[in-house]
Amino acid sequence: QQQVKQSPQSLIVQKGGISIINCAYENTAFDYFPWYQQFPGKGPALLIAIRPDVSEKKEGRFTISFNKSAKQFSLHIMDSQPGDSATYFCAASGWTNAGKSTFGDGTTLTVKP
Amino acid sequence: DAGVIQSPRHEVTEMGQEVTLRCKPISGHDYLFWYRQTMMRGLELLIYFNNNVPIDDSGMPEDRFSAKMPNASFSTLKIQPSEPRDSAVYFCASSSRTGGIYEQYFGPGTRLTVT
Repeated sequence: QQQVKQSPQSLIVQKGGISIINCAYENTAFDYFPWYQQFPGKGPALLIAIRPDVSEKKEGRFTISFNKSAKQFSLHIMDSQPGDSATYFCAASGWTNAGKSTFGDGTTLTVKP
Repeated sequence: DAGVIQSPRHEVTEMGQEVTLRCKPISGHDYLFWYRQTMMRGLELLIYFNNNVPIDDSGMPEDRFSAKMPNASFSTLKIQPSEPRDSAVYFCASSSRTGGIYEQYFGPGTRLTVT
């Protein structure tokens, strides 16, 4: 079964804190792991992505940590800001899916000022 | 590029009516996806196309749903007849293989309300 399990379902963080969202996958054929950010009334937008040949990727305040052996990856948002309040989705895709991504259930992040 | 374009942005219809949602993918993208998003079920993939050909429609809930892609710049998702449980936000996304990966770009969505 090609599932991606995401946790937590919701997260409340104080401004300036670190937000951490976790995902786990089952299919070892997955070779691309993007994170999407969705604001209310908008479509999901690609935020950051990682390939399994690296263990970490950082873009500004956003970092993906990837553990291939555990089949887990996580999104870390440093110095979280109220503007980061959104729903975050992890996803996974691979050659076997030829472009089709399997999405996690999403995490609603609220950053309190 | 204008991004993925969807129309209408909002649709309110009565149960039993036909609903047609439209999507224009990003030029040059060879994959097109239709998703449905609800609070209860999250983001569900309904169907996707590659080079205008349907590849996987296993997510289409039932025969009332149909999708077409007559050319590389246009796709429709049709619901006939519509039911209240079809109320959701429907997203279209497109992608292409760049550097060995597929980055999906989503449209703004169509919010469908069936009364």
